[in-house]
Amino acid sequence: DAGVIQSPRHEVTEMGQEVTLRCKPISGHDYLFWYRQTMMRGLELLIYFNNNVPIDDSGMPEDRFSAKMPNASFSTLKIQPSEPRDSAVYFCASSPGGFTEAFFGQGTRLTVV
Amino acid sequence: AQKITQTQPGMFVQEKEAVTLDCTYDTSDQSYGLFWYKQPSSGEMIFLIYQGSYDEQNATEGRYSLNFQKARKSANLVISASQLGDSAMYFCAMREGQMDQAGTALIFGKGTTLSVSS
Repeated sequence: DAGVIQSPRHEVTEMGQEVTLRCKPISGHDYLFWYRQTMMRGLELLIYFNNNVPIDDSGMPEDRFSAKMPNASFSTLKIQPSEPRDSAVYFCASSPGGFTEAFFGQGTRLTVV
Repeated sequence: AQKITQTQPGMFVQEKEAVTLDCTYDTSDQSYGLFWYKQPSSGEMIFLIYQGSYDEQNATEGRYSLNFQKARKSANLVISASQLGDSAMYFCAMREGQMDQAGTALIFGKGTTLSVSS
């Protein structure tokens, strides 16, 4: 397996624009996580899915953020409209069930100017 | 309240020395898993080691070992014989919940930056 695949790797956008981050989890993994990493706040869990169903989205900062998982092999994180404070590295990770480690994608570095 | 606490923002060690990175956790569950990840300057997240709450032996993986003290709710990472390539950010993380329930997310601490010098 190629691992967790995220796209794009880098995104630079203007304030107010819509941004869509994409993730392909490892085949067979039941869980998918979206994290945001910044210097100030560290690695924050935004939302996670189990079998394509959102389980906990309490980490989503505001209504501008939304996430979907239409099938087991694809998830998106959308920010609309984007703001400079959304600039961060966004990671997607997937794992099997139980107390197993999560496998991370390479991350998307988002810069909102 | 923070679930995972890493009190050392930065640690400095010389090559070949051992270093301990601290981690304490907070949970009321009996079943949980503890993890350590490494994030080098290139940014990827690398899984290092896992400890289950019911594991009686401390986990070991090569030069990494986990000093698990359940009563104190601590799960410190010990790196033996440090190498220059160990310089990175290290994160402690936890998954809570019962094995037969829908699992929970992996929650991370703030991390500790380790610098290894020659």
